[in-house]
Amino acid sequence: AQSVAQPEDQVNVAEGNPLTVKCTYSVSGNPYLFWYVQYPNRGLQFLLKYITGDNLVKGSYGFEAEFNKSQTSFHLKKPSALVSDSALYFCAVRDSATGGFKTIFGAGTRLFVKA
Amino acid sequence: NAGVTQTPKFQVLKTGQSMTLQCAQDMNHNSMYWYRQDPGMGLRLIYYSASEGTTDKGEVPNGYNVSRLNKREFSLRLESAAPSQTSVYFCASSDAVASGRYEQFFGPGTRLTVL
Repeated sequence: AQSVAQPEDQVNVAEGNPLTVKCTYSVSGNPYLFWYVQYPNRGLQFLLKYITGDNLVKGSYGFEAEFNKSQTSFHLKKPSALVSDSALYFCAVRDSATGGFKTIFGAGTRLFVKA
Repeated sequence: NAGVTQTPKFQVLKTGQSMTLQCAQDMNHNSMYWYRQDPGMGLRLIYYSASEGTTDKGEVPNGYNVSRLNKREFSLRLESAAPSQTSVYFCASSDAVASGRYEQFFGPGTRLTVL
């Protein structure tokens, strides 16, 4: 069965420092991977995705993610964190077993960026 | 484009009452979804509609019904609300499969409290 895990409930980083939010996955077949961000009292917003191609994927707001097939990971990164990046981040994987219509979400990681 | 809209934004119900949550999208997407979000549990899929005229159960369908009224609208009904259904409900849509764009677009959410 497809699944995705976010091992950290919370990540704390100082403004200006690099940040990493971790995600590991388990899929059968080729993985379609996503990152979403949720700001307080808002719906989720799509950040970036990996379907095929370059292992380093660039997305919105300066975020990028690195796909690592051997480690089954898809960690979210940003070279220099901003206070405004503080939010809840979700990793997700397409559920190919259902024809691709469904997406399985991780439990989320709360990012705190301190000024 | 308004994207995905949901009504109402907030609702308080008494146990046993019924209500319908409305969702509409103006992006001409084929697939629509209803999720609930509870603290520490991420997003859980209630029902989804891969295309107009079809609906399928997700991870937590008990106590809910859905209607895909047309391509734009997908409603979620609670027939007899229970305190366990206190949650934030999100509607989402995607152009899954048809365009190869599997990312989902979310509405702002409905915060439901059942007393």
